[in-house]
Amino acid sequence: ETGVTQSPTHLIKTRGQQVTLRCSSQSGHNTVSWYQQALGQGPQFIFQYYREEENGRGNFPPRFSGLQFPNYSSELNVNALELDDSALYLCATQDASTDTQYFGPGTRLTVL
Amino acid sequence: AQSVAQPEDQVNVAEGNPLTVKCTYSVSGNPYLFWYVQYPNRGLQFLLKYITGDNLVKGSYGFEAEFNKSQTSFHLKKPSALVSDSALYFCAVRPYTGGFKTIFGAGTRLFVKA
Repeated sequence: ETGVTQSPTHLIKTRGQQVTLRCSSQSGHNTVSWYQQALGQGPQFIFQYYREEENGRGNFPPRFSGLQFPNYSSELNVNALELDDSALYLCATQDASTDTQYFGPGTRLTVL
Repeated sequence: AQSVAQPEDQVNVAEGNPLTVKCTYSVSGNPYLFWYVQYPNRGLQFLLKYITGDNLVKGSYGFEAEFNKSQTSFHLKKPSALVSDSALYFCAVRPYTGGFKTIFGAGTRLFVKA
């Protein structure tokens, strides 16, 4: 196990709604990244947080936003949900000493 | 544009036979290279990485990968496949730009038949 947990496991929303996904980080891992994995595809980088600041972003619109807290846990917020937002959302924490990312089990979001 | 290609959607091997899952990349500089495995309803599990040094990298569960700079490839290998190796495998590249943004391939599904 990676020690990275995500909640909830599954979520169903309707178009236009807002959603918040959560991720808890291993102690000492002060960098967290979020990825979107659509069905049949590889994960796509959404953004990265380091010490509570966003310091890298992929090709995702501003309605995807995040937070990182002092205890290094993190949230991904998505506003104005669209059908194409249906995917598995993965968070990953980084161990800087080994340059390795550790992924959580993901949250499966379905937008109807 | 930076990209990772996994040319095979699916690889089928018999248990006990060697397996290879192919990966090529297009990233400038000297990127970090990774392989991850994903089982159904699970997140990605780290298998191995290449940063520098020996072109043959050994990882978890008997897997290894061969880095070839001239061919920009990073193929995953295992000398003897197990049925339990059946899963979805992702090759990933992290450009050496100081962050942890990682570019993933589309994945290759490995089936190992008993």
